[in-house]
Amino acid sequence: EAEVAQSPRYKITEKSQAVAFWCDPISGHATLYWYRQILGQGPELLVQFQDESVVDDSQLPKDRFSAERLKGVDSTLKIQPAELGDSAMYLCASSLDSNQPQHFGDGTRLSIL
Amino acid sequence: AQKVTQAQTEISVVEKEDVTLDCVYETRDTTYYLFWYKQPPSGELVFLIRRNSFDEQNEISGRYSWNFQKSTSSFNFTITASQVVDSAVYFCALSADSSYKLIFGSGTRLLVRP
Repeated sequence: EAEVAQSPRYKITEKSQAVAFWCDPISGHATLYWYRQILGQGPELLVQFQDESVVDDSQLPKDRFSAERLKGVDSTLKIQPAELGDSAMYLCASSLDSNQPQHFGDGTRLSIL
Repeated sequence: AQKVTQAQTEISVVEKEDVTLDCVYETRDTTYYLFWYKQPPSGELVFLIRRNSFDEQNEISGRYSWNFQKSTSSFNFTITASQVVDSAVYFCALSADSSYKLIFGSGTRLLVRP
């Protein structure tokens, strides 16, 4: 089992609904990442936090996606409204700092109907 | 621009065979890191190795070995005497000095048959 905790493991929802994912990084890790992995492809970074601040959200579709890490520990990624193309694996990772190896959680597999 | 190419989409071998997974990268940064991750069917990405651009020494860890060659911009991964438990998708990734953002290749699916 991964040290980075993510929930839920699976989520099925209808398009236009709201969906949220939660991530608890390894204790003491200042940097937290959210990735999206479409089936058959490598993960792509959506957003990177350093403590509670967003460092990089250039690939986050901000019209429907939002992410927060209010206390610099756990984080939530939200999609509203969900679209069919959002079906993917959403992975959270953390590292001691931005230049250290990233450790990944088990991911949340999202299916939009 | 930074890019990682894993040309092998899928490889199938019989147990105990050696197998090499290829990785070619592109970056203009002089300082960068290269990584390999393993993704079993459970979905978690398991960190295997990190290499910095100034260290071209090959590395061996048990049945795993990595060959880093800056001259060909390659960072290949070899599994010796493969086992069924090695079956997974393997990703090569690049993190460059300018952003440390991980750029992943498209992955190579390895199937080790008994």
